[in-house]
Amino acid sequence: AQSVSQHNHHVILSEAASLELGCNYSYGGTVNLFWYVQYPGQHLQLLLKYFSGDPLVKGIKGFEAEFIKSKFSFNLRKPSVQWSDTAEYFCAVNLFGNEKLTFGTGTRLTIIP
Amino acid sequence: DVKVTQSSRYLVKRTGEKVFLECVQDMDHENMFWYRQDPGLGLRLIYFSYDVKMKEKGDIPEGYSVSREKKERFSLILESASTNQTSMYLCASSLVVAETQYFGPGTRLLVL
Repeated sequence: AQSVSQHNHHVILSEAASLELGCNYSYGGTVNLFWYVQYPGQHLQLLLKYFSGDPLVKGIKGFEAEFIKSKFSFNLRKPSVQWSDTAEYFCAVNLFGNEKLTFGTGTRLTIIP
Repeated sequence: DVKVTQSSRYLVKRTGEKVFLECVQDMDHENMFWYRQDPGLGLRLIYFSYDVKMKEKGDIPEGYSVSREKKERFSLILESASTNQTSMYLCASSLVVAETQYFGPGTRLLVL
């Protein structure tokens, strides 16, 4: 069965630090990849997505993610975090043509001012 | 602007009660989804629907049923609520298969 792993459960950083959140998935076929973010008290919303093409994708608020097919990874990065990036981040994967989205367990990010 | 609304933000029910959670989207989306979100477990798919009156089981359908009589509305039903169904329930919709899903604000359900 398809699975998604987010190894960092809680990450604490100071403002201006660089961020990398890991995401690995188990399926070897064609996949669509997503990062969603849930700010405190807000809806879950899309941060960025990868379907095909350039494996380095850019999203909102300065986030980017790189798809490395050989490593089954889709890590999220931001060069300099802000206090407002405090949120929970979810990686999600679905098989090409499949409605079902499989989510990772999420990473809680806390930014210290 | 995309909008998914859920009937309640907070709900408290007693064990054995029948519980209805309603979700409405205004984007004419074909696909609608119900998830539950639990700490340390992420989001798990309960049911989804790809058309009116059509439904498919997700990963954890036990103890739940769904109804989709109109395109814009997708209901989650707990036939007999149990304490282990205490959770945050999220509804989502998407226009096409495998595209971005848009989420509602969630319903935090407490079953006593």
